[in-house]
Parts: sequence; structure tokens; C-alpha cells
Amino acid sequence: ETGVTQTPRHLVMGMTNKKSLKCEQHLGHNAMYWYKQSAKKPLELMFVYSLEERVENNSVPSRFSPECPNSSHLFLHLHTLQPEDSALYLCASSLNRGLNTEAFFGQGTRLTVV
Amino acid sequence: ILNVEQSPQSLHVQEGDSTNFTCSFPSSNFYALHWYRWETAKSPEALFVMTLNGDEKKKGRISATLNTKEGYSYLYIKGSQPEDSATYLCAPQAGTALIFGKGTTLSVSS
Repeated sequence: ETGVTQTPRHLVMGMTNKKSLKCEQHLGHNAMYWYKQSAKKPLELMFVYSLEERVENNSVPSRFSPECPNSSHLFLHLHTLQPEDSALYLCASSLNRGLNTEAFFGQGTRLTVV
Repeated sequence: ILNVEQSPQSLHVQEGDSTNFTCSFPSSNFYALHWYRWETAKSPEALFVMTLNGDEKKKGRISATLNTKEGYSYLYIKGSQPEDSATYLCAPQAGTALIFGKGTTLSVSS
């Protein structure tokens, strides 16, 4: 257990559905991240939050909408996704965004868009 | 954007073998280098974070070195065990967050 919990672990959704992914950490970390891993690709950074403010959006389409209501929770709201958005979505947190700061990852949500 | 290359892509060794992997990255705009181990159905787990040229870190049978001038890092596993089977990811850090390579998948047979 890394201390970062993601729900659900698996999600199947239609292209017209709206769903949300949830990430929770009680490690006292101030930075939280969403990563995406598509088949045969490396982990790609999507969003970075620091002290509940979005500090980086890595050119992610607007059909992905993050929310960070407090330092312990991070959401990824999904709407009108495409089949190519099917991937593993990983949440991570770190104490801060400093150089020597390791990231703690959740186990991910396996998303399938049909 | 950093271009991160890891080699080999996959590796199969026998229990007791020692092995090593390579991570290559542009030497400019470098701040830190992270190594992660990712076992199937688990979360990626941090192994090392290195920042200085010539850094060497060790955790049990696993060690890593860093050359920031030429842009590479090596990960060594001494006396591989089946429980070492995992994907090993390197991630240079330039700025806010980590840029991951595709990883080296290690399989250790008993």
C-alpha cells in the first residue's frame, strides 16, 4: 500500500456517459498528479495540482476535467470520451514539487470506452 | 519535452544472474532522475531519486548510477530473484513533474 487510493479500479463507459475517477491520499502531500498510460506508451503526465491549484495542464482535451477540492482529494471528470481514451489512469502525490521528492502512485483505474 | 529511452525493452534472466538496464535522456535541462519499479497489478514504487553527476545509490541488491553530463543512468540488480520481476521505469525530471520512459520489463525465472 502506497497510501494513495484510486476508485474505481475498473470502469467501462459509453461515449455519451459522464463518470468521475477519484484519488485520495492522507500522506500530507501538497502536490497531486494525473497520469495516463495507453497501450505500449509510457506514462504521460496530464495534470499537476499544487496546494489545490492546477499548475500544469499538459495539453489535455477538455473532455477530461480535473478537480482538486482539497489537498487530500483529486478527481478526474470524464465526459463524451472516445474509444482511444481507453487506458490506465494513475494518480500520484508527492510532498511538494521539489527535485528530490518521490511520487507515490495509486493502483490506477483501468478505463474502457465503448 | 524530454526524450527518454530505456533499453533493453524486455529482459529474461535466470535466478541468481546479475543484470543492468540503461536510461538515456537529454543532458540539457536536467534536474533529477527517478527510478521506479512497477510490479503487475500494483502501483509504481519509487526506488531512487538522484540529482548529482556521479551519484550512486543502493537499496539491497539494487543500485543505480547517474551521469548527467552524457545523459544516462544505469540500474543494476545483483543476484536476481523471481520477486525482482517487474517493469523498471526511469523518469528524468525537468521542471514540475516526471517524464517517464517506456520501461524495461524484467522476468526472472527460478
